[in-house]
Parts: sequence; structure tokens; C-alpha cells
Amino acid sequence: KQEVTQIPAALSVPEGENLVLNCSFTDSAIYNLQWFRQDPGKGLTSLLLIQSSQREQTSGRLNASLDKSSGRSTLYIAASQPGDSATYLCAVDYNTDKLIFGTGTRLQVFP
Amino acid sequence: GAGVSQSPSNKVTEKGKDVELRCDPISGHTALYWYRQSLGQGLEFLIYFQGNSAPDKSGLPSDRFSAERTGGSVSTLTIQRTQQEDSAVYLCASSLAEKAFFGQGTRLTVV
Repeated sequence: KQEVTQIPAALSVPEGENLVLNCSFTDSAIYNLQWFRQDPGKGLTSLLLIQSSQREQTSGRLNASLDKSSGRSTLYIAASQPGDSATYLCAVDYNTDKLIFGTGTRLQVFP
Repeated sequence: GAGVSQSPSNKVTEKGKDVELRCDPISGHTALYWYRQSLGQGLEFLIYFQGNSAPDKSGLPSDRFSAERTGGSVSTLTIQRTQQEDSAVYLCASSLAEKAFFGQGTRLTVV
């Protein structure tokens, strides 16, 4: 069964910290992996997409890495800010009709 | 419009009534997805439309759920004889390539 797990489920950090969110998947034959951000009462915003042939993608203070062989991806957030507070979801695409989502990490960055 | 639009944003209905949820995808996007997000749960795939191909309905939880996509654009998700367990946020997404763009969702509450 293809499952996606995210740890931790929740994280609370002071502003300015660098932090790492983890995503693991049971089937390593992925097509691509996306990281999304979800704000309360809002839809999902795609942050980064990593193709299966790539090792990492960067956007501003965000860096996502992919290690297919170990079934893991990490999202690194540098110099966290209160505006980064949200739920972060990773989703795996096996080149089928659907994305398989993890249950998310709820991040709170306090001033 | 610039993004995926869903309506209504909130819907409260009585148990046993039928509801229709609407999704307007980004113009030109050939793929359209419906997901469900229940409280404390991850995103659950419901149905996928791609161009003129037959939709993938493998995620629909029961025969009370149906969806259609007219003219390759607007989609309607219909839930008949709603039950309390149908209460959730229903999210629609569209894509042209691999990156998915989500709407803000419809929060359905069955009382």
C-alpha cells in the first residue's frame, strides 16, 4: 500500500529558527513529490515540486530535498517567520490519477 | 479567473438532503480533481477528470457521490441523501502539467 507519513504532526518554534519538516513514503517508485502549504480555512498552495530525477528544489527560504532510495523528503525552512505559520503537506505522485497526501505538519512560529 | 474557484464556500445542510458543489478550474487546465479533507484527516482522493477520457471514480466513498465535468471545464460534485459523516472540506484542483492548483474549498456541514 502506498502511504505517506509526515513527522512531526505539530511544531512550535520561535521566530528566526531554521527548521526541517519530514515526509516519508513507502513506495519509492515516485514520479514526483510536491510540498504544499495550507492556511486555516484556505485551500492549498504549491510550494515546491521535485521530479523523481531531481535531488532538491529551492524557492527563497525554502529548500526541499528528495531521497528516493530511502523514501524520504525534507522541507527546510530558513530563518522562520510568524508568516510561515501554516500546515505543510507533502504529496506523492506515482503517475496515476491522484496525489497521495500525508497528514501534514502544523507549524507555528511565534515572535 | 486567475485561480480555481469553488462555490459555495460554506454549506450547511440537513441530513438526507442533496447538495451540489461547484468547481471552476483554471482556464485551459485539462485535469481536474476532487479531494475531501475531514477534520484531523489527510486529503482523501475522490475523483479525477482528464480531458475527454473517462473519469477515475475510484475514490468516491459510496454511490451517493457523483461528479460530472461539462465541456471540459466546470465540474459539479453531487452528494445525495447527505449523512453526518459527509461533513468535511471538499477541495477541487486543476492542472495542465504536474503542478496542481487548489481552490479554497467548500466546507460542508451536515446537521
